[in-house]
Amino acid sequence: KDQVFQPSTVASSEGAVVEIFCNHSVSNAYNFFWYLHFPGCAPRLLVKGSKPSQQGRYNMTYERFSSSLLILQVREADAAVYYCACTTGTASKLTFGTGTRLQVTL
Amino acid sequence: DVKVTQSSRYLVKRTGEKVFLECVQDMDHENMFWYRQDPGLGLRLIYFSYDVKMKEKGDIPEGYSVSREKKERFSLILESASTNQTSMYLCASRRTGGNEQFFGPGTRLTVL
Repeated sequence: KDQVFQPSTVASSEGAVVEIFCNHSVSNAYNFFWYLHFPGCAPRLLVKGSKPSQQGRYNMTYERFSSSLLILQVREADAAVYYCACTTGTASKLTFGTGTRLQVTL
Repeated sequence: DVKVTQSSRYLVKRTGEKVFLECVQDMDHENMFWYRQDPGLGLRLIYFSYDVKMKEKGDIPEGYSVSREKKERFSLILESASTNQTSMYLCASRRTGGNEQFFGPGTRLTVL
């Protein structure tokens, strides 16, 4: 069964670099996506790709079956749920992980 | 900017009622999706549509149906709502050839 795995919770101190890890068992998947979700708001794409990439404070690492989201200079306002997802080359649909809640301490 | 809107932010229904959740996107996207979000389970795909009047089952279609009569609108239907369908429902759309899905803000449905 196609699945995406990520930790349920990650904690970090403000100002640190936090890493959220994701791995999958999706056949022929090669694109990773990282979404940010604040309760009550639409999930928002942070970074995506089939190779390491960066968008502002967000870095994405890439391996064949895993990816990490690194958030630089973590802020209290970054406390939210982060979803990892992947897709195959031709499929329309994304397979999402269960989400990681980021806790930020001052 | 792509805008995906959902008809209600909060909805309370009774067991056995027929429930319609509406989603509209304004960017002429061909593909639309319905997910439910539950604690510890993440986002699970219920149904998706890649064109008008076309639909495909996702991972958890049981108890749901969908309708796509117009390109911009994708409806999720609960024929007879049950308490285990209490959840957050998220709609998304995507342009064919693109790979980013754009989400709406969600509808929190409570079935009593």
